[in-house]
Amino acid sequence: NAGVTQTPKFRVLKTGQSMTLLCAQDMNHEYMYWYRQDPGMGLRLIHYSVGEGTTAKGEVPDGYNVSRLKKQNFLLGLESAAPSQTSVYFCASSSPKRTSGRSEQFFGPGTRLTVL
Amino acid sequence: RKEVEQDPGPFNVPEGATVAFNCTYSNSASQSFFWYRQDCRKEPKLLMSVYSSGNEDGRFTAQLNRASQYISLLIRDSKLSDSATYLCVVNGPDYKLSFGAGTTVTVRA
Repeated sequence: NAGVTQTPKFRVLKTGQSMTLLCAQDMNHEYMYWYRQDPGMGLRLIHYSVGEGTTAKGEVPDGYNVSRLKKQNFLLGLESAAPSQTSVYFCASSSPKRTSGRSEQFFGPGTRLTVL
Repeated sequence: RKEVEQDPGPFNVPEGATVAFNCTYSNSASQSFFWYRQDCRKEPKLLMSVYSSGNEDGRFTAQLNRASQYISLLIRDSKLSDSATYLCVVNGPDYKLSFGAGTTVTVRA
């Protein structure tokens, strides 16, 4: 079991370039999430998905798009990168326990993105 | 106001010491609470869930005070390996999690 994997691990972009971050999970989890983490701030939710073919906006969705065509994959796209999108991006997945309302999220190792 | 607020620290303690810190949350309807651990430049990992009656996991004790809307974590007999950032996490609607910015703990020999 690889758990949650992310590619690439590092990337440097120039302003205006586009890229896609790939997240994959092999735990058959229904829910998947994209976060960004900046110094001195908690993880902030960008977009999330509660199932294949569905996505929803999180706290900071502007400038990002997502797709969940397959249950195991969740893609995060930056159409026109800006320096403000320099951050560490984490993907996570979970399988909510609806009876208890508890849901541990499992995180990928992160992608370190720098936009010049 | 942030949904989850934590004292960023750092808490610098000697091996064997006890260290404790809190976080506060703003949404009184929150139902689930967690502590995650994050090592430098690594992904967060679940340390423990926090239950209403308080709970222990080895040297770690978590408490929840719903009336005052705060959660605490206590680490007894600190080890060098406990050095990390501890994230306070609160469950919201749609199983979304709200994260605090983290409390940094450094255990010195």
